[in-house]
Amino acid sequence: AQSVTQLGSHVSVSEGALVLLRCNYSSSVPPYLFWYVQYPNQGLQLLLKYTTGATLVKGINGFEAEFKKSETSFHLTKPSAHMSDAAEYFCAVSQYNFNKFYFGSGTKLNVKP
Amino acid sequence: EPEVTQTPSHQVTQMGQEVILRCVPISNHLYFYWYRQILGQKVEFLVSFYNNEISEKSEIFDDQFSVERPDGSNFTLKIRSTKLEDSAMYFCADRDRADEQYFGPGTRLTVT
Repeated sequence: AQSVTQLGSHVSVSEGALVLLRCNYSSSVPPYLFWYVQYPNQGLQLLLKYTTGATLVKGINGFEAEFKKSETSFHLTKPSAHMSDAAEYFCAVSQYNFNKFYFGSGTKLNVKP
Repeated sequence: EPEVTQTPSHQVTQMGQEVILRCVPISNHLYFYWYRQILGQKVEFLVSFYNNEISEKSEIFDDQFSVERPDGSNFTLKIRSTKLEDSAMYFCADRDRADEQYFGPGTRLTVT
């Protein structure tokens, strides 16, 4: 069985500050991990993914995430927040065959001027 | 850039009625998914579909739900007899050969 936990339903940062959104997963098999962003009234857009290889993955809009197997974590970071980063972010896990995805409950990021 | 489209954007129906939600995946993508997101809650997997068959389904996807690809382009989700708790945003997604999922903008279903 697989599941995803996102700590913090709301995160607020100042523009220019570090963004850190936490994601922990549980999986009985090697996981594939994803971060998606959802802007109001829109679908989900893939930010980045980890399947195999380098554990630090870089995505769009300056985001990156690091897969830490020992901590079962896949936290999302961005060095400097921009107002346009305000959105809801979802972490997701899948098995190797991508037949089923499990999403976290989401973290709403607020960026203050 | 190609994108997944969904119709309608908003559907209002009465409890007990049948609804069909439509999705047009990106051409040449072969794997299709339906998810739902009840207001304020997480995105939940409903079903995955490949080669005209269901690959995987969740416990939510009971006998009231069905999916099909009637004409090789559209991908539909049918709810036979809607319940109040079916009110949610329903997202269609597909997957390319690089295993990246593309989500549609969603259909908001309101059951009254």
